[in-house]
Amino acid sequence: QVQLVQSGVEVKKPGASVKVSCRASGYTFSSHGITWVRQAPGQGLEWMGWISVYNGNTNYAQKFQDRVTLTTDTSTSTVYMELRRLRSDDTAVYYCARDSLDPWGQGTLVTVSS
Amino acid sequence: EIVLTQSPDTLSLSPGERATLSCRASQSVRSNYLAWYQQKPGQAPRLLIYGASRRATGIPDRFSGSGSGTDFTLTISRLEPEDFAVYHCHHYGSSSETFGQGTKVEIK
Repeated sequence: QVQLVQSGVEVKKPGASVKVSCRASGYTFSSHGITWVRQAPGQGLEWMGWISVYNGNTNYAQKFQDRVTLTTDTSTSTVYMELRRLRSDDTAVYYCARDSLDPWGQGTLVTVSS
Repeated sequence: EIVLTQSPDTLSLSPGERATLSCRASQSVRSNYLAWYQQKPGQAPRLLIYGASRRATGIPDRFSGSGSGTDFTLTISRLEPEDFAVYHCHHYGSSSETFGQGTKVEIK
């Protein structure tokens, strides 16, 4: 079945970087883009950006433009989301989703704390 | 970017009742690229509706979506116990996607 499986929990200090992975299976990887969304504790969903697996084109939310990078590894059907210069308010569950819609990964909790 | 405003913030209803959730966009949503998700605590969002009115695979027909332009509605015809959750609307397919703030459907 179509599935996205994300990497595990991360705990980081302020100023550090985090790289979360999203491994796809059950479909032709290059035929669909991957979107990243985050959800802070008790808050709503926030769109971060999208990457075309086909050609690597990216689209980032203005809020994250200078701190986030999305990349792909077609050999392992994996998309990566790197967020730099972490702050305490980056503490959230980070999700990947195929073509912004379905399915979603299980989420990765990133905690930023000194 | 398009701002999505959901109403109400919380809807208190009993099982068997009808739920009507609203999502209003600050400008017209192109090609009705509007989706609805259900989210339960500790879980990822689950796609219910895309293209404003198309049910996703495996979604019961008590869930329906309608609307166009700037006004969209998610209707749950008869609430089942498993339907009490938070519902999000989502404008997708653009260079700047956005989500509504969510509506919580709680048991009255």
